[in-house]
Amino acid sequence: LAKTTQPISMDSYEGQEVNITCSHNNIATNDYITWYQQFPSQGPRFIIQGYKTKVTNEVASLFIPADRKSSTLSLPRVSLSDTAVYYCLGGGGDKIIFGKGTRLHILP
Amino acid sequence: ETGVTQSPTHLIKTRGQQVTLRCSSQSGHNTVSWYQQALGQGPQFIFQYYREEENGRGNFPPRFSGLQFPNYSSELNVNALELDDSALYLCASSLREGPTPTLHFGNGTRLTVT
Repeated sequence: LAKTTQPISMDSYEGQEVNITCSHNNIATNDYITWYQQFPSQGPRFIIQGYKTKVTNEVASLFIPADRKSSTLSLPRVSLSDTAVYYCLGGGGDKIIFGKGTRLHILP
Repeated sequence: ETGVTQSPTHLIKTRGQQVTLRCSSQSGHNTVSWYQQALGQGPQFIFQYYREEENGRGNFPPRFSGLQFPNYSSELNVNALELDDSALYLCASSLREGPTPTLHFGNGTRLTVT
């Protein structure tokens, strides 16, 4: 089971690019890396998932180095509405581990 | 396509009582998992159900139990409630395919135990 480590909190300003890095040293060979976003009093929401190299969708990019022991979520040109907690998960299956996540605070 | 819905949204119970929380899975999903989220913490995995059987469990005592029905909806039951059971309870549905299914969460049930 891959436990993850992320920064507890980050601050950034509107319009900037934000990168949040997660380490998952013992991720299983077949497991993907998934990032979720959570607003207060809501359930987490899927952002992006990848296995290796780079994945991009309409809201974010995910960079995964060749050794897959870490990943970086990149949010381009953040806005105030991106203030939330971001979780990375290294795997899933029949036992899913969320860490404490990264509390991202966007300033005007 | 309907998303994951949970009921009730809020609930207040007294220590020692029993509670049942309900979850309706997203259409087409065959797996449901439950999480407990205390204030300021990440969701903690309680258990997962696939084809009406529990197939994964986190570090929670047996007084936390669940059911999955043929229509893939689910219940979480908690007996002998304790004050520390106060939390947001989240349900997530997914389609069991591949090693890392994407989880689709409801907005949870806020349980307060007094």
